[in-house]
Amino acid sequence: DGGITQSPKYLFRKEGQNVTLSCEQNLNHDAMYWYRQDPGQGLRLIYYSQIVNDFQKGDIAEGYSVSREKKESFPLTVTSAQKNPTAFYLCASREGHGANVLTFGAGSRLTVL
Amino acid sequence: SQKIEQNSEALNIQEGKTATLTCNYTNYSPAYLQWYRQDPGRGPVFLLLIRENEKEKRKERLKVTFDTTLKQSLFHITASQPADSATYLCALDADYGGSQGNLIFGKGTKLSVKP
Repeated sequence: DGGITQSPKYLFRKEGQNVTLSCEQNLNHDAMYWYRQDPGQGLRLIYYSQIVNDFQKGDIAEGYSVSREKKESFPLTVTSAQKNPTAFYLCASREGHGANVLTFGAGSRLTVL
Repeated sequence: SQKIEQNSEALNIQEGKTATLTCNYTNYSPAYLQWYRQDPGRGPVFLLLIRENEKEKRKERLKVTFDTTLKQSLFHITASQPADSATYLCALDADYGGSQGNLIFGKGTKLSVKP
């Protein structure tokens, strides 16, 4: 079945550590996105990539980094520079043609201890 | 910049009734507006999309309306069931024309359907 796989589902991190969240899709979608979701807030865009080897900052990119070396993969690194990293992280992809309907992964919950 | 508001954080209704959720935007009219469903601890799932030249869209028990004069979309679930309990998100283009493909999302309305 086609879809988006995020891993790990739950992740705990000590302050000062970098962590990388995985996002893989087998939908052959061109564009991929990372959103952050906090309680009582809408989804906020961290980074997005329209094509391989290219990505753009979203609204809250500070403290995060990404890469897009393969069409299927868009990992997100939460660095120690991110001051409040505890959140629910959602990866999504879009076909690239027509309306901008997103397909989301199941999410990764990061908790900083 | 475009702003989007879902003016009810929570909505509680009785099973069998119609749930009506509201989404308002403040700036330019988007080319289309989307609705997603999100269950706790899960990613959002796309439900319906309505284009600016469409007044109404239906899918089974779901109905979406789009009023560009009022800058508002209404999302209806008829004959609601406890399984409809979830958070519903409204989304639209982050930029005029949607050329970047980015969406902005409302904070969502948490619907609870009581048996």
